[in-house]
Amino acid sequence: QVQLQESGPGLVKPSQTLSLTCTVSGGSISSGGYYWSWIRQHPGKGLEWIGYIYYSGSTYYNPSLKSRVTISVDTSKNQFSLKLSSVTAADTAVYYCARENTAAGHLDYWGQGTLVTVSS
Amino acid sequence: QSALTQPPSVSGSPGQSVTISCTGTSSDVGSYNRVSWYQQPPGTAPKLMIYEVSNRPSGVPDRFSGSKSGNTASLTISGLQAEDEADYYCSSYTSSSTLFGGGTKLTVL
Repeated sequence: QVQLQESGPGLVKPSQTLSLTCTVSGGSISSGGYYWSWIRQHPGKGLEWIGYIYYSGSTYYNPSLKSRVTISVDTSKNQFSLKLSSVTAADTAVYYCARENTAAGHLDYWGQGTLVTVSS
Repeated sequence: QSALTQPPSVSGSPGQSVTISCTGTSSDVGSYNRVSWYQQPPGTAPKLMIYEVSNRPSGVPDRFSGSKSGNTASLTISGLQAEDEADYYCSSYTSSSTLFGGGTKLTVL
């Protein structure tokens, strides 16, 4: 059973960089066939796709966030990470990591989510 | 890159059926059979309910079914149960991204 777990600071100051890590257990990021994704959900709102990475390092980002987002992968630790720069209060959200099947395009395993608040 | 369009809310009584629509464009829903649906009860992470338009993962009741016609996909829940009350999101693969719908709140009356 694949499990994903987000970790990182729950509070980030405006203009700083939000950094989160997703640790994958029960399966290898390097096995291929999946994109490793970040999705966020503003309080009381819908889901917003941030981007994903393949184990090879290829990345795809939401055009609306592309200038501020970096997703990276560390196959040796079976982890992938999100960095979002120049954050504002509008980046306050629950951030989820998830696994997306490259062939079928669905997100089959999700982390529990972590709330990140942007505030001074 | 616009979100897919879903009705904000739907409702139904126990035992009834409800259908949630998800409208995209010829560049996403209309071009790929990679539409999926997620259920999200309050305070929990989304759960995959339907993938590739109409396939159910193991463990999802067959009361949940999916379909697609043109640029619109649909999720039908038959034999409504109280436990089905949740937010539902559709999603579509595109050539280089994933799109979500705005979400639909299902109320079981």
